[in-house]
Amino acid sequence: GQSLEQPSEVTAVEGAIVQINCTYQTSGFYGLSWYQQHDGGAPTFLSYNALDGLEETGRFSSFLSRSDSYGYLLLQELQMKDSASYFCAEGKLIFGQGTELSVKP
Amino acid sequence: DAGVIQSPRHEVTEMGQEVTLRCKLISGHNSLFWYRQTMMRGLELLIYFNNNVPIDDSGMPEDRFSAKMPNASFSTLKIQPSEPRDSAVYFCASSSAGANTGELFFGEGSRLTVL
Repeated sequence: GQSLEQPSEVTAVEGAIVQINCTYQTSGFYGLSWYQQHDGGAPTFLSYNALDGLEETGRFSSFLSRSDSYGYLLLQELQMKDSASYFCAEGKLIFGQGTELSVKP
Repeated sequence: DAGVIQSPRHEVTEMGQEVTLRCKLISGHNSLFWYRQTMMRGLELLIYFNNNVPIDDSGMPEDRFSAKMPNASFSTLKIQPSEPRDSAVYFCASSSAGANTGELFFGEGSRLTVL
């Protein structure tokens, strides 16, 4: 079957760096997307990797390795407002179960 | 731009009643996706349309669920009859880039409770 696996929860302190991993098993893979969701609100798009390598957008970076079926989201200089759930997704059709990030003071 | 607009934001109904959820796409977008989110199953794709045509409805749970896109900017998701296990947050999202690439724009969701 098609699936994306990510840790269920991660805790980090303000100002730190955290990495959220995502491994996938899908057919017809196009690329890996990342979304942020606060408290059941609307998920919002963070990044999309179609090619191997690192994409950087401000404090957030996303990485993809097609040969390893693996990607990650890197959040730097963590802020309290980064506490949220983070989802990896294959294109728009299949989402991981989400990683709940808690940022502590 | 107003973004994707969903209604109602909250719906409480009794088992057996018909529920209709509505979604207005962002102007210019041609792909529309309906998702359901629960604690147990996460965010699941129910159905998606491209240029008003349903492309993949394999995620629709059963015949009680139906979705339509009567025009390029509007869609409905109907559950008839509703059951308690249908309780979830239903999101619609639109895109200008098809199903495989690019960004999804989500609405705020419709929180459905079936008693």
